[in-house]
Amino acid sequence: EAGVAQSPRYKIIEKRQSVAFWCNPISGHATLYWYQQILGQGPKLLIQFQNNGVVDDSQLPKDRFSAERLKGVDSTLKIQPAKLEDSAVYLCASSLDQGLAQFFGPGTRLTVL
Amino acid sequence: AQTVTQSQPEMSVQEAETVTLSCTYDTSESDYYLFWYKQPPSRQMILVIRQEAYKQQNATENRFSVNFQKAAKSFSLKISDSQLGDAAMYFCAYRSNTGNQFYFGTGTSLTVIP
Repeated sequence: EAGVAQSPRYKIIEKRQSVAFWCNPISGHATLYWYQQILGQGPKLLIQFQNNGVVDDSQLPKDRFSAERLKGVDSTLKIQPAKLEDSAVYLCASSLDQGLAQFFGPGTRLTVL
Repeated sequence: AQTVTQSQPEMSVQEAETVTLSCTYDTSESDYYLFWYKQPPSRQMILVIRQEAYKQQNATENRFSVNFQKAAKSFSLKISDSQLGDAAMYFCAYRSNTGNQFYFGTGTSLTVIP
């Protein structure tokens, strides 16, 4: 069974630029999560999708972050414009359904200069 | 909001020995899930073990077991016969059965000494 795929693995941008991350969850997984993990901290949930609908985006900085999962499969997370404090690893995870164990992708390490 | 506390930023254990990682959480709910995740240096998070709060029996997965104390809101992870490959960051996580969010602790970095 293929795992959660994410791309790119690394990204370096300058502040005020835009960036997008892509995630392809495990086939058949209805729930998809985006987390932000700042160095030395635990992951913080940014947004959770159930199929193509948003379940929770209460911690997503909506003035600069956006995410979509149009067909209920893969998802993109965008930051526009980026700030220095957005430097982090962005983790995507999926689960068969809400409440069940999540499977994580390898993450995208973003550095904002 | 629920919080998850891991009070041990770093732990070390001799190879083949046993180590226990601590986790406490704060909640007013009675039904929830608790997880331990492992994050090796490659950074891909891996589920180690899962516990449903309504189950009194402690979960076990091979060398990994938990001590779930619901009244004390404690959820510690015991690793027996530690192996070099166990070296990683370990995160404790909480998920409400009624809400949608997962809450992660700040992690414990485990070093295994040969």
